Amino acid sequence: GENVEQHPSTLSVQEGDSAVIKCTYSDSASNYFPWYKQELGKRPQLIIDIRSNVGEKKDQRIAVTLNKTAKHFSLHITETQPEDSAVYFCAASHTGRRALTFGSGTRLQVQP
Amino acid sequence: NAGVTQTPKFQVLKTGQSMTLQCAQDMNHNSMYWYRQDPGMGLRLIYYSASEGTTDKGEVPNGYNVSRLNKREFSLRLESAAPSQTSVYFCASSETTGDYGYTFGSGTRLTVV
Repeated sequence: GENVEQHPSTLSVQEGDSAVIKCTYSDSASNYFPWYKQELGKRPQLIIDIRSNVGEKKDQRIAVTLNKTAKHFSLHITETQPEDSAVYFCAASHTGRRALTFGSGTRLQVQP
Repeated sequence: NAGVTQTPKFQVLKTGQSMTLQCAQDMNHNSMYWYRQDPGMGLRLIYYSASEGTTDKGEVPNGYNVSRLNKREFSLRLESAAPSQTSVYFCASSETTGDYGYTFGSGTRLTVV
């Protein structure tokens, strides 16, 4: 089955800096890669996703890049703000697969 | 439009007690899931239902049972709770399995003493 590894487990940045979170996956058939943000005590919420027919996708200050050859994808947050502080999860799946496989999460702290 | 609704939000059980976690979605999604979240371990799939009338085991099904009551509702039952089942449980739904994002419920924090 699929295995998703996520790094780092914790990340602390200064407000205004960029943050990068990286994930690797094992199943070469995977073609769908969503990212979820979970604020303290809240439910995970989808913030961006990418499919394997594109290499990069942007939405305002967040972007995701995908390297299918190396089987890794990354979340980039620019101009970080205190409200970006949360746990971020990556996940992977493919058409016909039963469910998403999640990474172990990255706790991002943005220092004012 | 409530999305995915889970009940209860909090529960304390004694070892050996049973309980059912309820989940309902109003988005006409075909697929529903139960995950548990433990510190440092991400979200692990317990059971899922690809469509009404079907259920399948996930990564960590032992000690749990599920029922897909209808298209809207998917319940998770703990027959004899154990301390190892202390966790936060999330229900989620999606249009179908595979390459679709999930909508999560607000979670149930379960403590087994």
